[in-house]
Amino acid sequence: EPEVTQTPSHQVTQMGQEVILRCVPISNHLYFYWYRQILGQKVEFLVSFYNNEISEKSEIFDDQFSVERPDGSNFTLKIRSTKLEDSAMYFCASGNRLAGNTIYFGEGSWLTVV
Amino acid sequence: SQQGEEDPQALSIQEGENATMNCSYKTSINNLQWYRQNSGRGLVHLILIRSNEREKHSGRLRVTLDTSKKSSSLLITASRAADTASYFCATGPKTSYDKVIFGPGTSLSVIP
Repeated sequence: EPEVTQTPSHQVTQMGQEVILRCVPISNHLYFYWYRQILGQKVEFLVSFYNNEISEKSEIFDDQFSVERPDGSNFTLKIRSTKLEDSAMYFCASGNRLAGNTIYFGEGSWLTVV
Repeated sequence: SQQGEEDPQALSIQEGENATMNCSYKTSINNLQWYRQNSGRGLVHLILIRSNEREKHSGRLRVTLDTSKKSSSLLITASRAADTASYFCATGPKTSYDKVIFGPGTSLSVIP
């Protein structure tokens, strides 16, 4: 079964450093998402992306965050200057209305900011 | 808010018993999805139920939806230790590219 893949699975970074989290959505999907889950808390929406632009973003997705689809397969989340409170599991997800409304999630990238 | 809210927050049962988790939401929906998350792992999609559906089955899973009460339930029959995980309901998407919004989840422990 096709799946969303994410790299790295775990990254430790120093506060203030830039981080790029990478995702390969399911190949025929058109809608892409990033979510995060702080340890022990609920899964929070960050941003949705369609047709090469942001469709919607949450309050969490401030100027330090950006997303990009640099080629036909990758979808990245960049955090410019990480803060301690950015430590969380980041999930990429994708969907395709033509294939139903199911949104599929990856295994997540665990980011630890020290 | 579309946000789903699950109850109970935590549930502990013996292997072989049935587990029922409930989800309530606040605004009208087109779809509602249930996901499972093993500790520290990704979100695995279980079932999507549309607003015009009342019940859906997948293996040992049964999901119901009552749009008049703005609630859904997930029933796992004949539970196994491997079912130990957190279970989340997520409302949406409303449109093609809309997001899903997660509730806080139910932590299920199945004791062998």
